[in-house]
Amino acid sequence: DIVMTQSPDSLAVSLGERATINCKSSQSVLYSSNNKNYLAWYQQKPGQPPKLLIYWASTRESGVPDRFSGSGSGTDFTLTISSLQAEDVAVYYCQQYYNTSLTFGGGTKVEIK
Amino acid sequence: QVQLVQSGAEVRKPGASVKVSCKASGYTFTNYAMHWVRQAPGQRLEWMGWINAGNGDTKQSQKFQDRVTITRDTSASTAYMEVSSLRSEDTAVYYCARGIFGVARDAFDIWGQGTKVTVSS
Repeated sequence: DIVMTQSPDSLAVSLGERATINCKSSQSVLYSSNNKNYLAWYQQKPGQPPKLLIYWASTRESGVPDRFSGSGSGTDFTLTISSLQAEDVAVYYCQQYYNTSLTFGGGTKVEIK
Repeated sequence: QVQLVQSGAEVRKPGASVKVSCKASGYTFTNYAMHWVRQAPGQRLEWMGWINAGNGDTKQSQKFQDRVTITRDTSASTAYMEVSSLRSEDTAVYYCARGIFGVARDAFDIWGQGTKVTVSS
């Protein structure tokens, strides 16, 4: 299985400031035939199911605010919240779908400083 | 609107089985895949398996291959996941999730509300 490692485990950011979450895969999730990274990001608030934010590493899901952006390629990826809002307090997960045994990162908890 | 509604919470004894349902509405059920993901307390999300709702093909994670059965009823637009030989470590919230691309290598755009399964003697 591809192991997904997120960092940090948690971070506290002031309202309006930037939050950066990292995700590293144990092997590349870049598929050479289509040059796509098989990497998604989710947001999960307490008591709710995860919500898809980003897929193909950088494609924002419909309705997701543009303060959320994804970047990276191969094995190293980043989710950036450009200006943290109170409603962004949540746990964020990355997920690879390169391998048919789908795997998630351990999550990063984002709080307000 | 597009939604997945799961069956209610369950309590089972070790060694028993549990079957969770996931009813889809607002889209053509057979055009998409349905995946199952669980979240044990304090643990990361864990993919369990999927079903092609169109042709019924399934694949389970190797970890659950012997204990998980995924089925669907197209007339009811409902997917099911049964876990057998339950142990305390199976205590978790179980989610169904629609696959965006309808294939095994998928991301998930719509999630059910979750079904809490508690395994306790």
